[in-house]
Amino acid sequence: SQQGEEDPQALSIQEGENATMNCSYKTSINNLQWYRQNSGRGLVHLILIRSNEREKHSGRLRVTLDTSKKSSSLLITASRAADTASYFCAHWNRDDKIIFGKGTRLHILP
Amino acid sequence: SQTIHQWPATLVQPVGSPLSLECTVEGTSNPNLYWYRQAAGRGLQLLFYSVGIGQISSEVPQNLSASRPQDRQFILSSKKLLLSDSGFYLCAWGAKQLGYGYTFGSGTRLTVV
Repeated sequence: SQQGEEDPQALSIQEGENATMNCSYKTSINNLQWYRQNSGRGLVHLILIRSNEREKHSGRLRVTLDTSKKSSSLLITASRAADTASYFCAHWNRDDKIIFGKGTRLHILP
Repeated sequence: SQTIHQWPATLVQPVGSPLSLECTVEGTSNPNLYWYRQAAGRGLQLLFYSVGIGQISSEVPQNLSASRPQDRQFILSSKKLLLSDSGFYLCAWGAKQLGYGYTFGSGTRLTVV
């Protein structure tokens, strides 16, 4: 299977703390994407990192990519209640389809 | 800017009834369109994708079908729903050559009773 895997499957942290989610994948990639899904809603594209990049920032989000280990991490700093959601990593495969992991369920505790 | 519309938001249908979910895209032409299904608490399963009018690729054998009658319209259908068709259905568009990710619709929650 080409499916990526997020780790951990679920994460609960206190508001204000940093949240780190990891993703591993199995094939060569051109870029890797992270998405957020609020409960019962569609997925929202958060950030894309290209294979020649090692780190990328967007607001409170920091994504790293290690192509030698086929892994990526998403760091959310200074978490807020609104960050409670599921987070998915994904990448394009050679057939023009995006392959998603199973997601990490993040819960921010007040 | 590109937008994607998906409806209805929720649907409760009896077993054996037909299904039609519609997805339309604005602000782009000749998009690649995708239908995904998400079971409760699970990841996304690709059902169908289309690279152009009348061109449909099926990822898994199932009780569903898809059609693309117009460039920016993608329809998911079933002649007779099964209980196992319940789930959250998501339409998306994307273009690998643009280097972006997907843009998703807001989803349809289908419950087959």
